[in-house]
Amino acid sequence: EAGVVQSPRYKIIEKKQPVAFWCNPISGHNTLYWYRQNLGQGPELLIRYENEEAVDDSQLPKDRFSAERLKGVDSTLKIQPAELGDSAVYLCASTGGGTNSGANVLTFGAGSRLTVL
Amino acid sequence: SQKIEQNSEALNIQEGKTATLTCNYTNYSPAYLQWYRQDPGRGPVFLLLIRENEKEKRKERLKVTFDTTLKQSLFHITASQPADSATYLCAHRGNKLVFGAGTILRVKS
Repeated sequence: EAGVVQSPRYKIIEKKQPVAFWCNPISGHNTLYWYRQNLGQGPELLIRYENEEAVDDSQLPKDRFSAERLKGVDSTLKIQPAELGDSAVYLCASTGGGTNSGANVLTFGAGSRLTVL
Repeated sequence: SQKIEQNSEALNIQEGKTATLTCNYTNYSPAYLQWYRQDPGRGPVFLLLIRENEKEKRKERLKVTFDTTLKQSLFHITASQPADSATYLCAHRGNKLVFGAGTILRVKS
């Protein structure tokens, strides 16, 4: 079974440019998360989807960040315009059925590393 | 707000010894704690989950304890190996899964 797939793995952009990250969760996983991880820190939740509905986006900087999950499968996270402080790793994760599903065990992708110059 | 703290200093140990990592939480009584491993350039990988009514959980060389009185979870790796070198993250669930900053473990041969 394929894991959570993210692309691109690395992205370098100038500040004020737009950038988009894509995530394909594990097949059948209804819940999808976007996290941001700064160097030396743990992941911080940006947004959580249940199917195609964003149920927790309280941490998403809505002035410049947007996300969508059309058809409740793949998801895209966009930043426009990017700022220097947005440099981080953007992680996608999903949860679904299984023994620990009630405890929301996350399966993460490898992440997309963003560098804003 | 829910806070979860892990040792910010890296833990350096000799191969074969037991590594013990600490996770403390405040302002909340989580129903469970999770431990993840993260290698450089990779996403976190789930290792173990322990619920509040469980004192201890084991998986191969890994052991996790949960002390709700101390508001602390300990993560042990016995007979540590250089391949165990990684960052270990704990996370607890309130209205959302909150991660600690992680502790870097370095096992030297």
